[in-house]
Amino acid sequence: DQQVKQNSPSLSVQEGRISILNCDYTNSMFDYFLWYKKYPAEGPTFLISISSIKDKNEDGRFTVFLNKSAKHLSLHIVPSQPGDSAVYFCAAKKAGGFKTIFGAGTRLFVKA
Amino acid sequence: SAVISQKPSRDICQRGTSLTIQCQVDSQVTMMFWYRQQPGQSLTLIATANQGSEATYESGFVIDKFPISRPNLTFSTLTVSNMSPEDSSIYLCSVALQGLTEAFFGQGTRLTVV
Repeated sequence: DQQVKQNSPSLSVQEGRISILNCDYTNSMFDYFLWYKKYPAEGPTFLISISSIKDKNEDGRFTVFLNKSAKHLSLHIVPSQPGDSAVYFCAAKKAGGFKTIFGAGTRLFVKA
Repeated sequence: SAVISQKPSRDICQRGTSLTIQCQVDSQVTMMFWYRQQPGQSLTLIATANQGSEATYESGFVIDKFPISRPNLTFSTLTVSNMSPEDSSIYLCSVALQGLTEAFFGQGTRLTVV
């Protein structure tokens, strides 16, 4: 049972434009949603998170939107930069727990 | 935060052999985890490495195949036993810190079984 789904394996965006990465989940009991970024030959690094009681969280160029009724979240990167080219993982977890469920990732290409 | 050193970074192994992956953390942590990322797949939790007791395995993973050691609060090993080509994956060590939502990862071990 894939509880966190990223249906787009890849995305290509022009430098300076907006990148929108999407994620769907099936378990309404998740309390936190996170985005991780992964460069080749490196482990994932935490990027931004959102609590299930919020619908938006912003950190610089990165904004995560949460639509609980649709069980959908998205990561917006504005403006996109070539250094943002990486694989982005959507993840979810429950409050008080340490187990994190990951999606399959979306590879973002930002073209200069 | 936590700095995690994982080794080896990559290896090519013959089927039927075993490989032990090491994970060293720069501080004492309670929760350490091992993940697997098969090609094109999500990160899948293999087990939670418990200090002083047996690891807790997720559904589909067994101790005979993936024995784990956790001798202290800064170190753990994962062994991939009796390898087959299906074990070719990236294996990742991860830690969780009290009070933080996010997890921290080592750089991963890319394993190819031939």
